[in-house]
Amino acid sequence: SAVISQKPSRDICQRGTSLTIQCQVDSQVTMMFWYRQQPGQSLTLIATANQGSEATYESGFVIDKFPISRPNLTFSTLTVSNMSPEDSSIYLCSVDRDRGHEQFFGPGTRLTVL
Amino acid sequence: QQQVKQSPQSLIVQKGGISIINCAYENTAFDYFPWYQQFPGKGPALLIAIRPDVSEKKEGRFTISFNKSAKQFSLHIMDSQPGDSATYFCAASSDTSGTYKYIFGTGTRLKVLA
Repeated sequence: SAVISQKPSRDICQRGTSLTIQCQVDSQVTMMFWYRQQPGQSLTLIATANQGSEATYESGFVIDKFPISRPNLTFSTLTVSNMSPEDSSIYLCSVDRDRGHEQFFGPGTRLTVL
Repeated sequence: QQQVKQSPQSLIVQKGGISIINCAYENTAFDYFPWYQQFPGKGPALLIAIRPDVSEKKEGRFTISFNKSAKQFSLHIMDSQPGDSATYFCAASSDTSGTYKYIFGTGTRLKVLA
């Protein structure tokens, strides 16, 4: 498995502002993923972040709204830009250590936008 | 084609009973089927997973049954305990240009009565 931490664990933000969420892994990993989980809902993949290349976004998600950085093999950030109340969700990062199938999730960041 | 349908949405089981959660998929390219357990305020935790070359996998009280021809798989929790009360997600994945991306089911909220 992998030990994954996320910061902040939760935040309350004003409409129109941006929040950057950090994801730190205890060991080097190839792939990192960012998910959104709306209240009481399932998980939806936002993008895949591979170190050294641009993030790959899923349909319905764009880089201007959710810019992602992946500066090294243990760290990634997701920014939620120009937030609206519809962005209120739990944002989760996960890692795929060896390009295998198993993904391990961080504890999530609970975002509330007023 | 890319959906994973999960049922039931919620489930109440008596302590010691069997909890059964079902998932169905359409995409025959899926080749890895994990189940995740999520407690409130926590990230999903990998519970058990199966590949389509086997029909059943058991780990402790948790069993996955897999029916490749029907494109269905299910999670059985034997001797269910109050501590099993959580939300369970099935998922399916396949290799997409070298990355295994997950498609999650809609989740099942399990409550085990003491």
